[in-house]
Order: sequence, then C-alpha cells, then structure tokens
Amino acid sequence: EIVLTQSPATLSLSPGERATLSCRASQSVIRYLAWYQQKPGQAPRLLIHDASSRATGIPDRFSGSGSGADFTLTISRLEPEDFAVYYCQQYDASPLTFGGGTKVEIK
Amino acid sequence: DVQLLESGGGLVQPGESLTLSCVASGFSFKDYAMSWVRQAPGKGLEWVSTIRGNGVTINYADSLKGRITISRDNSRKTVYLEMKSLRADDTGLYYCAKASTYVTNDFDHWGGGSLVIVSS
Repeated sequence: EIVLTQSPATLSLSPGERATLSCRASQSVIRYLAWYQQKPGQAPRLLIHDASSRATGIPDRFSGSGSGADFTLTISRLEPEDFAVYYCQQYDASPLTFGGGTKVEIK
Repeated sequence: DVQLLESGGGLVQPGESLTLSCVASGFSFKDYAMSWVRQAPGKGLEWVSTIRGNGVTINYADSLKGRITISRDNSRKTVYLEMKSLRADDTGLYYCAKASTYVTNDFDHWGGGSLVIVSS
C-alpha cells in the first residue's frame, strides 16, 4: 500500500498569504496525484488532478506541482473561502490511498 | 449537471448488514468507474471500493475485503455497496464518487454522503 504523508498537519495563515502544502508518497506515483478541498459539512471537491492540472472551475490561485514521490499544492493568495482541509490522493496503484489532510486555518 | 445521490444509510446494530445505493445522473454512467469513499466522524478520507464501468473489474480495501460487495446496474445508473458484519468502526459518512476520466481513479464528482451508524 502506498502511504501518503501530508505536512504540515495544520497551517495557520492570514487571508492574502501564500499557502504551501506538501504530500509525500512512500513510493513513486508518477504523476497520478490529486488534491481535494473539504469544508465542514461538505463533500470533498477536486482541485488538482495529474499532479498539476486544475479541475474544471478551479481558480488559478490553486496550483499543483511535483512528480514521483513529492508533491506540492500552492494557494498563491488565500481567500476567506480557502480555509478548509486539503487532502492528497494517489491513483497510481490499488489500493487507492489518501493523505491524512492539512487543515488551513485562519491565523 | 452531474449528480450523485446516496441512500440506504442508517442506524444498525453490530453484526448487521446494510446496502447503500447511489443514483447517478448527468453523464454516461456506463463509461465511468464508480467508487465508495468513507469518512469516520472527525477523521480523514478512506477509499473503500471501485467498480469499473463494465462491472467486471472490482477492487476493495483490504481492511474491508470479505465484508463488502460493490455492484452496479448500468440500466438504472446506480452503484451499490453491500456491507455485512458491520462493526462500530464502520461508522461514518459513505460517499459515492465518480472517476474523472475513463481510465483514472481520481474523483471529480461526489455525492453528499450517506451516514452509517453502527451501535447497540
């Protein structure tokens, strides 16, 4: 099973700041890595697929990078609606796995 | 618009069975893999199972293998998750999710979830 480790667990930032979230895989997932945003009481929303491709309707302040085993989600300037929990997911191999999440909270 | 609507959750006693359903609309259902992902209260996301469009290729999480069965009825645009011998740690919100492409297993649409509570 491919283990995904997200860091930090919590990121405390102010609106307008840049957020950098990390996802490290226990082995290469090539570029089969997705990022999701989840707000309280809501289902997850796909932000990024294939490591760096924005999903439909996702603002360009969200960007993904990386390949192999190290990936990053960057939010260039945090908007109030961006404070949420973010998960990475690998789909290179079964079982599909998710990281433990990073909570982006208002400082 | 793509819509996924889960149903079938509820309060069950340990050891009992439950079948969840997810009705899809707004896309060519038979062409896409469908998955179940669960989330225990206050916890992260856990993949449960995936079934390809043809209904033949199926994968299960090892932790649940033997207790769950995924199936689909393409004529009804519905995917099912049958769960047996339920335990307290099966409690959570069960999401139905659609694969984003014909060949990948990232999820571009999710249902609102069906809550399963296992308690005596």
